[in-house]
Amino acid sequence: NAGVTQTPKFQVLKTGQSMTLQCAQDMNHEYMSWYRQDPGMGLRLIHYSVGAGITDQGEVPNGYNVSRSTTEDFPLRLLSAAPSQTSVYFCASSRDPTYEQYFGPGTRLTVT
Amino acid sequence: GQQLNQSPQSMFIQEGEDVSMNCTSSSIFNTWLWYKQDPGEGPVLLIALYKAGELTSNGRLTAQFGITRKDSFLNISASIPSDVGIYFCAGRRYGGATNKLIFGTGTLLAVQP
Repeated sequence: NAGVTQTPKFQVLKTGQSMTLQCAQDMNHEYMSWYRQDPGMGLRLIHYSVGAGITDQGEVPNGYNVSRSTTEDFPLRLLSAAPSQTSVYFCASSRDPTYEQYFGPGTRLTVT
Repeated sequence: GQQLNQSPQSMFIQEGEDVSMNCTSSSIFNTWLWYKQDPGEGPVLLIALYKAGELTSNGRLTAQFGITRKDSFLNISASIPSDVGIYFCAGRRYGGATNKLIFGTGTLLAVQP
C-alpha cells in the first residue's frame, strides 16, 4: 500500500492564480480531510468528506473548494490564491471519522 | 478555532534522557491521539487513546488519557537522536463532531548525541 499520496510536493503561485492539490489513498478509507499547517498553529481542518459525494466545511474553508467523486481521491482547489494561503497542506484519511487518521507527506505552497 | 494547549513548546535534551510532554483542554475529550512529525513529512500516528485513565505503550513511548478527560501525557524513555521532531497531540471533544480532530500547537524535541 502506498497509503496517502499528495502531489505536488512544492508549488509557487502568483496571487489570483488557481490550482488543485491532489490527494489519493489506497486503503479504501471512507473519511478524508484536508488540513493546513502554519507555524505555531498546529493543524487546522479546511474541508472533509465522509464518503464519495459527501463533503463538508472544516474550521478554515474560505478560499478552498473540494469534491469527492471517488473513494480514493479528494482534491483541494484554490480558487484565487492569496498570500494568506501560503502554508503546508496535508491530506489525511481514516476508515471512519472516529478512528485515527493517516497523513500524506504534504504540499508546500507559496503564494507571492 | 479551538486548539489544545500543548507544553512545553520545545525541549533540548541529551541522548538517554527521558522526556515528558502534555496536552490540556478546557473541554472534555473522548479521544486522544499523539503524532510525530519529521522535518518535511506528514504527521505519523504514535499512540491512540480512547478511554479515561488508559495507559498505552509503543516501544519507548507511553501515553496516558487523563482521568479528568481534559488532558493527556506522552513520555519518551531513554531518548535517541531519531526521536527528534515535532510531537502533536490531537483529540476529539466529547459531544463535538466526531469527524473533527483538534490539534495542539506541537512540542519541538531536539536530542543531542
